[in-house]
Amino acid sequence: AQSVTQLDSQVPVFEEAPVELRCNYSSSVSVYLFWYVQYPNQGLQLLLKYLSGSTLVESINGFEAEFNKSQTSFHLRKPSVHISDTAEYFCALSGSARQLTFGSGTQLTVLP
Amino acid sequence: EPEVTQTPSHQVTQMGQEVILRCVPISNHLYFYWYRQILGQKVEFLVSFYNNEISEKSEIFDDQFSVERPDGSNFTLKIRSTKLEDSAMYFCASSGEGRDSLAFFGQGTRLTVV
Repeated sequence: AQSVTQLDSQVPVFEEAPVELRCNYSSSVSVYLFWYVQYPNQGLQLLLKYLSGSTLVESINGFEAEFNKSQTSFHLRKPSVHISDTAEYFCALSGSARQLTFGSGTQLTVLP
Repeated sequence: EPEVTQTPSHQVTQMGQEVILRCVPISNHLYFYWYRQILGQKVEFLVSFYNNEISEKSEIFDDQFSVERPDGSNFTLKIRSTKLEDSAMYFCASSGEGRDSLAFFGQGTRLTVV
């Protein structure tokens, strides 16, 4: 069985401050890891992914995540957030099966 | 950029009625999926479909649910007799054949059962 745990359901942060959204996973097989973002009333958009290779992956809008196998974590970070980053962020994995297992989501709210 | 499209964006139905949610996956993708997200909860896998048959399904996907690829472009999810607890956002996704092929999601259909 595999699972994804997002430790924080809500993260409020002031604009231009750094943020970390935590994600831990459990799986008995090797996994691919993903972060998806959901803006209000919209679908799921892939933010970044770890498939193999470098454990630090980056998105085009300044987010990064680091795969840590020993800690079974894939935390998402951004050094300086903007109001437009306000959204729900989902960590997900795929393991032996193709389908994604999602965490419960973290609502990031960027305050002016 | 290719995208997954879902129709309708919002559907309201009476309890006990049948509903069909429609999806057009990305044209060269071979794997198709349905997920649902009950309001305020996590996104949950329902079913995956490959080569005209179900490849995986979750416990949620009971006899009330069925999927079909009626032609070369559409992928549908049917709920035979809707219940109040079927109210959710339903997401369709598709991916290519490679094991590391990414899943692209549609915008979702919000189903409200009254």
